[in-house]
Amino acid sequence: QVQLKESGPGLVQPSQTLSLTCTVAGFSLTSYNVHWVRQPPGKGLEWMGVIWNTGGTRYNSALKSRLSISKDTSKSQVFLKMNSLQTEDTATYYCARDPSLPGYNYGWFAYWGQGTLVTVSS
Amino acid sequence: DIQMTQSPSFLSASVGERVTLSCKASQNINKYLDWYQQKLGEAPKLLIYNTNNLHTGIPSRFSGSGSGTDYTLTISSLQPEDVATYFCLQRNSWPTFGAGTKLELK
Repeated sequence: QVQLKESGPGLVQPSQTLSLTCTVAGFSLTSYNVHWVRQPPGKGLEWMGVIWNTGGTRYNSALKSRLSISKDTSKSQVFLKMNSLQTEDTATYYCARDPSLPGYNYGWFAYWGQGTLVTVSS
Repeated sequence: DIQMTQSPSFLSASVGERVTLSCKASQNINKYLDWYQQKLGEAPKLLIYNTNNLHTGIPSRFSGSGSGTDYTLTISSLQPEDVATYFCLQRNSWPTFGAGTKLELK
């Protein structure tokens, strides 16, 4: 059974660094790509970046300078780190898996975590 | 970056009504277009991928079509459980979402 679950601090102070973990089950990170998507309260969805099964990464150009995605395949965990947080980074952060089929740099998001709300405030 | 424009932003329809939601890309996205449904307080749920492929377990009243820059999600007979916000997503280049259509019952 495919599962993804995000975890991290609910509250981060402005200018600090956000660290989130996506723990997966039911599949291997050496076979599937995992994406991060965020959603500010009451607003739309924003794709943040992906870590491919190969370990390569690609980021949203608007976040690239602040964002890093990595993984520990032995622990089935994907990590997101984003620095210089501001209040506009307040959002629910989701991780999602794509089918990772040949020929697709970006696949559809068939599986999502439940999301974790991060509030940026002093 | 590819911009995705969804219309309408808000839609009110009656149970049993046929509903059509639109998504327009700023350039050709070669049918790499998905539709997601998000209910209040929940994670998005995949409905349709690659323009017209129904995801596993999704009712057949949902269908998708389109090509080039213009894409459509159709609900053939609206049900109460379809009340949600619907987002399109293009994956021709790095993924970008539309702003969403909020669907409510009349």
